[in-house]
Amino acid sequence: SQTIHQWPATLVQPVGSPLSLECTVEGTSNPNLYWYRQAAGRGLQLLFYSVGIGQISSEVPQNLSASRPQDRQFILSSKKLLLSDSGFYLCAWSVTGGGDNSPLHFGNGTRLTVT
Amino acid sequence: AQTVTQSQPEMSVQEAETVTLSCTYDTSESNYYLFWYKQPPSRQMILVIRQEAYKQQNATENRFSVNFQKAAKSFSLKISDSQLGDTAMYFCAFRRGGIGNEKLTFGTGTRLTIIP
Repeated sequence: SQTIHQWPATLVQPVGSPLSLECTVEGTSNPNLYWYRQAAGRGLQLLFYSVGIGQISSEVPQNLSASRPQDRQFILSSKKLLLSDSGFYLCAWSVTGGGDNSPLHFGNGTRLTVT
Repeated sequence: AQTVTQSQPEMSVQEAETVTLSCTYDTSESNYYLFWYKQPPSRQMILVIRQEAYKQQNATENRFSVNFQKAAKSFSLKISDSQLGDTAMYFCAFRRGGIGNEKLTFGTGTRLTIIP
């Protein structure tokens, strides 16, 4: 069966510090991968998605970046965190070509607090 | 661009009662898919139910069912015989049809509390 791992679960970082959140998927090949952010009182906002190694699409201009160095690894990064980067970050995957109604499968999320 | 609107930020209902959560969406697409996700206090996002726009029959999963009104662009979730474990944030989500369009657009969510 497929599983998705996301870490760390919680993170407190000072403003201006770098960020690296990691997500890995097991039990499937060539998944589509996504990073979402959930701010308090708001829905989930898509930040990045990837349909293959090295292929990253950005949905929202910001000081965050994403990389996919391996087929089932997706990394969210920042060189210098802002206060506004605080939130709950969710990694997700879906089956490539899995059918039009293929859902997203989410990790457990990372609570990021920028102080 | 597609938008998803959930007009009920919070709802509460007595255990064993039925509750309906509202969702409307805006799109010019004819081929699309709709989803309801549940996010309990653990923050894990869990798929509750999905609906293909080309299907007239409303989707049902045990105690969960939808009322899909395509012309009105409405996609409400009905929870029957509500249980304490149904307490969660519920998100409505939209996806365009076609391979390569797996991105979901989410509403802002409805916080549902089941009262014992």
